[in-house]
Amino acid sequence: AQKITQTQPGMFVQEKEAVTLDCTYDTSDQSYGLFWYKQPSSGEMIFLIYQGSYDEQNATEGRYSLNFQKARKSANLVISASQLGDSAMYFCAMREGTDSGSARQLTFGSGTQLTVLP
Amino acid sequence: EAGVTQFPSHSVIEKGQTVTLRCDPISGHDNLYWYRRVMGKEIKFLLHFVKESKQDESGMPNNRFLAERTGGTYSTLKVQPAELEDSGVYFCASSQPHGTGDYGYTFGSGTRLTVV
Repeated sequence: AQKITQTQPGMFVQEKEAVTLDCTYDTSDQSYGLFWYKQPSSGEMIFLIYQGSYDEQNATEGRYSLNFQKARKSANLVISASQLGDSAMYFCAMREGTDSGSARQLTFGSGTQLTVLP
Repeated sequence: EAGVTQFPSHSVIEKGQTVTLRCDPISGHDNLYWYRRVMGKEIKFLLHFVKESKQDESGMPNNRFLAERTGGTYSTLKVQPAELEDSGVYFCASSQPHGTGDYGYTFGSGTRLTVV
């Protein structure tokens, strides 16, 4: 079964509007972390935002916020006031469990290609 | 601080040839990860080094893939012999010894491998 599901292969948004990119996850761990990354056409993976499973507040980073609904196992990314430079592929990812000595790998979704229209 | 560096950025090789990808992590990062994204699909984990040791190589697709991290610094990923289905973008990431923080992972720009 998919651990991270991004159901929107492509999204369009008008410049200056807000957009929500969906992400649902599946884990039996109580402790986990959720990440969003942006991959522009240049190829690099840019970290956007992180939410820990025990964090009570939704994470925010500038124009990015994470709508974390633990009971529904969803971690949607909200981008406010979209800009042309936001056009990119967006990946949701999860790290399961906690580690005492080493960090675990990330599990990624298939991504959402966001296009911001002028 | 220098980021994670990968090279080459692009590689086009013929089926049956050998290719070696290199990743230089951030200095001091014990954890090094290799991931791969095949066209249109999700990014898949390949393996994880802690210093020079392989912590988890459960994602390696088959024995044509060999990863090393001599001395716990840079890592190489060799594909020998390459097949058409190996085409994709190979990402490397590194994190600090206890990479449980929210900014724990830094990714390189990837190597786009095309096997023809």
